Amino acid sequence: QQKVQQSPESLSVPEGGMASLNCTSSDRNFQYFWWYRQHSGEGPKALMSIFSDGDKKEGRFTAHLNKASLHVSLHIRDSQPSDSALYFCAASEQAGSFNKLTFGAGTRLAVCP
Amino acid sequence: GALVYQYPRRTICKSGTSMRMECQAVGFQATSVAWYRQSPQKTFELIALSTVNSAIKYEQNFTQEKFPISHPNLSFSSMTVLNAYLEDRGLYLCGASLGAETLYFGSGTRLTVL
Repeated sequence: QQKVQQSPESLSVPEGGMASLNCTSSDRNFQYFWWYRQHSGEGPKALMSIFSDGDKKEGRFTAHLNKASLHVSLHIRDSQPSDSALYFCAASEQAGSFNKLTFGAGTRLAVCP
Repeated sequence: GALVYQYPRRTICKSGTSMRMECQAVGFQATSVAWYRQSPQKTFELIALSTVNSAIKYEQNFTQEKFPISHPNLSFSSMTVLNAYLEDRGLYLCGASLGAETLYFGSGTRLTVL
């Protein structure tokens, strides 16, 4: 079983809509989470990190972490066609210099004009 | 933002031959560098992790004999895939961290093995 599980596998939202992506860890040692976005032909780009319970907002992106349930979500408000990409949740036991990331399998987001 | 450059972007090699790829952190001194491989199915595997003042640590299923890494300083790293075979194909990603929180990746080197 994968230690970091993402859902759904794929998601389609209309332009201007809200996209919600989910991630759950089965390993209680994972305390630090990141969301990455990968466009076709590129490497993954860090969107945001979240280490504390609650919400963290950066522009149109809001991450939510519930450490008790090891669940983290990403919500994209006012989705744009340029948001169409693969989104990965990544988790680590440590932040800082020893951040060894474990990635989920990804959610493919399509934003339709 | 942090920039990590990788080159070449893509490479094709014959089965059994070797190829070298390079990674450079631009504008910052990375405190850790990690090499990952992303499979054609998009899953990630950590190959090795290197931090300031410590030796390069390889993950299970990856060895220095197969994936030697050169690390003269934490702004530059190179890795060679020796005796590449079909199972070695994928997107090789270099990630560099400023030590604070986040690992920043380059665009990767896509390896195709014929």
